[in-house]
Amino acid sequence: NAGVMQNPRHLVRRRGQEARLRCSPMKGHSHVYWYRQLPEEGLKFMVYLQKENIIDESGMPKERFSAEFPKEGPSILRIQQVVRGDSAAYFCASSPEVTGAEAFFGQGTRLTVV
Amino acid sequence: KQEVTQIPAALSVPEGENLVLNCSFTDSAIYNLQWFRQDPGKGLTSLLLIQSSQREQTSGRLNASLDKSSGRSTLYIAASQPGDSATYLCAVRLDKLIFGTGTRLQVFP
Repeated sequence: NAGVMQNPRHLVRRRGQEARLRCSPMKGHSHVYWYRQLPEEGLKFMVYLQKENIIDESGMPKERFSAEFPKEGPSILRIQQVVRGDSAAYFCASSPEVTGAEAFFGQGTRLTVV
Repeated sequence: KQEVTQIPAALSVPEGENLVLNCSFTDSAIYNLQWFRQDPGKGLTSLLLIQSSQREQTSGRLNASLDKSSGRSTLYIAASQPGDSATYLCAVRLDKLIFGTGTRLQVFP
């Protein structure tokens, strides 16, 4: 059973381009969470998704950011028209549909905007 | 709004010392608490998970306790080693995980 897989591990984008970050949860996990970690800072919650549903997006910036978790395939975090301030590590976690279950994290995608 | 605080923010100790890392949270309505380790430039490794009904969990040289009513958890590291050097994060969970800011630990030989 592979762990949470994120790709790419490193992503470089020029200002104004789009960034797409992918997260494949562990097998059997139907809950996905995205977090952002700015340099030298803690992990900030962005969005919580279940298959085909956004449960909580209270941590998502109102503009340029979107997330989805389709019925088939990985969860996608999409950042449009990236700016330098979007440079950060983006982590995905998954858990099964069991109350209080352990969450497992991927290795993250490090986005650099140049 | 749930807030999670970790103290100290940084800790530097000689090898062999026993350590206590502290985590406090403001809302006791949680399902569980997890302790993670993060190495520089790496992802998060789950160390221990304590359900809200539990008082403590142990794994090797690590022991985590939870006092939900007072909003506190401690991570005890016995006989620290240089390989323990990392940032330690605690996170509480209701629907999502809310993280503390971490304790950066350095263990020197």
